[in-house]
Amino acid sequence: DVKVTQSSRYLVKRTGEKVFLECVQDMDHENMFWYRQDPGLGLRLIYFSYDVKMKEKGDIPEGYSVSREKKERFSLILESASTNQTSMYLCASSTGGNTIYFGEGSWLTVV
Amino acid sequence: GENVEQHPSTLSVQEGDSAVIKCTYSDSASNYFPWYKQELGKRPQLIIDIRSNVGEKKDQRIAVTLNKTAKHFSLHITETQPEDSAVYFCASRPDSWGKLQFGAGTQVVVTP
Repeated sequence: DVKVTQSSRYLVKRTGEKVFLECVQDMDHENMFWYRQDPGLGLRLIYFSYDVKMKEKGDIPEGYSVSREKKERFSLILESASTNQTSMYLCASSTGGNTIYFGEGSWLTVV
Repeated sequence: GENVEQHPSTLSVQEGDSAVIKCTYSDSASNYFPWYKQELGKRPQLIIDIRSNVGEKKDQRIAVTLNKTAKHFSLHITETQPEDSAVYFCASRPDSWGKLQFGAGTQVVVTP
């Protein structure tokens, strides 16, 4: 059974703080993704990675960066959190062009 | 880039009735169309998918149809049950790398 684990389920951060969201998958998947979920907007792709140390911008990369130093781990970084980044963040992984598996999500509130 | 539109945004059905959710996409190169179900507080999970060389696929009470010419695909749920209540997302894959473009979601409520 594929497991995608997001270490932080609920976070509250202050405006201007640096925020790290960590994601680990245990299926040796090459592809990893970060999506943001907001009501009425669906799931929007922030960044994705097809291999270690590789990253590609998605549809809404502004204000975010990512790191993939190891194949199983993909981190999302908010350099200076803002209130409009309050949202639910979903990490996902896949192999080839096959099924994408999601983590449980990280609820981030920026105050 | 690819754009996926999903309708309706909310759908209320009586238990036992059918539910239909429709999506359109813009990129003719899209070749894979999955549907995800997200229950309250949980992760989205794949329930069915269809590839561009197939027109219809069924799995028990759920079915998906694809019309490549019109660039639209639909999810059909028959004999709905309360446990079908969830948010459903359609998606398309515009390239071979694996990233998905999602619709905005449909909140389905099945009332007993």
